[in-house]
Amino acid sequence: DAEITQSPRHKITETGRQVTLACHQTWNHNNMFWYRQDLGHGLRLIHYSYGVQDTNKGEVSDGYSVSRSNTEDLPLTLESAASSQTSVYFCASSEGQQTDTQYFGPGTRLTVL
Amino acid sequence: RKEVEQDPGPFNVPEGATVAFNCTYSNSASQSFFWYRQDCRKEPKLLMSVYSSGNEDGRFTAQLNRASQYISLLIRDSKLSDSATYLCVVKYRGGFKTIFGAGTRLFVKA
Repeated sequence: DAEITQSPRHKITETGRQVTLACHQTWNHNNMFWYRQDLGHGLRLIHYSYGVQDTNKGEVSDGYSVSRSNTEDLPLTLESAASSQTSVYFCASSEGQQTDTQYFGPGTRLTVL
Repeated sequence: RKEVEQDPGPFNVPEGATVAFNCTYSNSASQSFFWYRQDCRKEPKLLMSVYSSGNEDGRFTAQLNRASQYISLLIRDSKLSDSATYLCVVKYRGGFKTIFGAGTRLFVKA
């Protein structure tokens, strides 16, 4: 069955370290998204991609970067982790139309000490 | 003011009760509307889309009021398994900008 996976599921790191969170989908979806979820804020969009070699900033992109070298993967990199980036990170994908459902991965719980 | 606002709850209801959630959005350019469900420590999953004429899926009914810029979700005959957080989601025209509400927590008790 097609799916979307994230790794690692849990990560503890130290302030200042570079961290990369992986997202892999097997639906062959064009669109991929990264969100963070914090209490009281709901899901906030970090970066998104409409296809290979395309990346765009979301509302909370500072301190994060992504790259899209193939259809299946959109890794999220925290260039220099900060305690404010402690959060739960969700990756999502959708097929191509604006009304298409977004399918979410299981999430990565990141703690920055 | 947040672009999408929901009452955070929690709503505590007995099994069999009817419960309704509202969600307001501030941008009239909003085009598509959804309700997602999120269980504790799990990923959000689509519950239902919301159509202009209103739509029903079993015990769940969604309504859209564009004039007043709100959407609602009604759950009839609540089950224990309905306990979750319900997220209101709004998409804007001309792109894939998607705004999630912070969610409304529902607890259904026996």
